[in-house]
Parts: sequence; structure tokens; C-alpha cells
Amino acid sequence: QSALTQPASVSGSPGQSITMSCTGTNSDVGAYNYVSWYQQHSGKAPKLMIYEVINRPSGVSDRFSGSKSGNTASLTISGLQAEDEADYYCSSYTSSATVVFGGGTKLTVL
Amino acid sequence: QVHLVESGGGVVQPGGSLRLSCAASGFTFINYAMHWVRQAPGKGLEWVAFIRYDGSHYADSVKGRFTISRDNSRSTVYLQMNSLRPEDTAVYFCAKDGSGWCPHNWGQGALVTVSS
Repeated sequence: QSALTQPASVSGSPGQSITMSCTGTNSDVGAYNYVSWYQQHSGKAPKLMIYEVINRPSGVSDRFSGSKSGNTASLTISGLQAEDEADYYCSSYTSSATVVFGGGTKLTVL
Repeated sequence: QVHLVESGGGVVQPGGSLRLSCAASGFTFINYAMHWVRQAPGKGLEWVAFIRYDGSHYADSVKGRFTISRDNSRSTVYLQMNSLRPEDTAVYFCAKDGSGWCPHNWGQGALVTVSS
């Protein structure tokens, strides 16, 4: 199972919006609405930000939103803040009854 | 609140074995599937294994070498790792499943180092 494809890095200024992508295949992202997004600060455990493409767990800011079109899912962060600087990973359920993660995107807040 | 604590990490020689444990609290353990996910130093997340009431599933990279199990009476999930290789060196996280095979809540991780 190949990893989902994420850009290595994205950046934005405080207050701006950014969108990062996560591209899979029609055996994972394109086949199921089971895409999740995680935020990971250096040395910390990942934190779930979005599940089932669009849903936010309780306690996660509504500045974070998810979407999907075909084999590509996206995470949008609006009103960028300094504390959003972190690594972000997407994941998806697959037709092989496994889970696959993306390689991760490093978000820099300028 | 959900609390997951991994233990059992350490240094092991190539070809050796190690068993990780993950003690869970704050939720009805028997009702939830559990995951193991790992992260090699400086690398991304890699899903390892999943267990629920109807069976277990593994990543190809560990199939036949690792075994996930659970003891519902102890609210604990285990990862038995055999035939360890240097490329298995990573922080291993256990995670509670939410829905759609999505790890929702994560422990702080246990470091496993495979080196001679």
C-alpha cells in the first residue's frame, strides 16, 4: 500500500487561509469517506483534527475544515495562527482493510 | 477523559522480540477497536495494526512478525514484535478507534530501538 501524497511544505502569514492536499487512489481516498487529518507538534503525539472527511472532534477550532473531491482530500485552515505551525498528516481507510497515511506536510506560519 | 499509556519499549538486537503494552482508561474499552501506529525518527506516521471484536489487520511491512492482541479484563492492548529489524526502530503509539478506522485518541508513545 503506497503512502498518500502530501506536499512537503506549505506556508502562510497570520490571519491568512491555507489549504493542503492529500492525494490517494480509487482504492482509498476516492473509495471511502474515511479520510482523517492529524496535527503533530514536534515531540508530541498526533492530534485528530478532522475525521470522515469533514467532521471536527469536539474541542477542535472551526478554523479547521476538510473536504474531498475524487481521489484528493484537502484541509483548510483559516485565520492562520502561530500555534498552527506543525506537521499535518492525512490518513484513509483502504480497500485492503488497512489504513494508509500521507507523508506529512510541514506548515510554517511566517 | 480517554487516557492511553504505552510501556515496554527499549533497545533490542536485530532478530529479537519485544512486547508493547497500552493501558487504557476513561472509556468502555471492550466497545472500541484499537490501533498501533509508529513513527521512525524524523519520519512520518506509519499505520501498523488494528484489532476489534471480529479480528485483526496488519500493514504488509509487519505481517507475519507482529501480533496485536487485547485483554478486555485489563483494558489493555498489546503488540508482540518478533524478528525485529533495524527499520522497525520507531516511536510506537497506541490509539483508540473512533469510526471509519480512524485513530482518534493517542497515547504518548513508546520508543523501540533495534540495534546491535
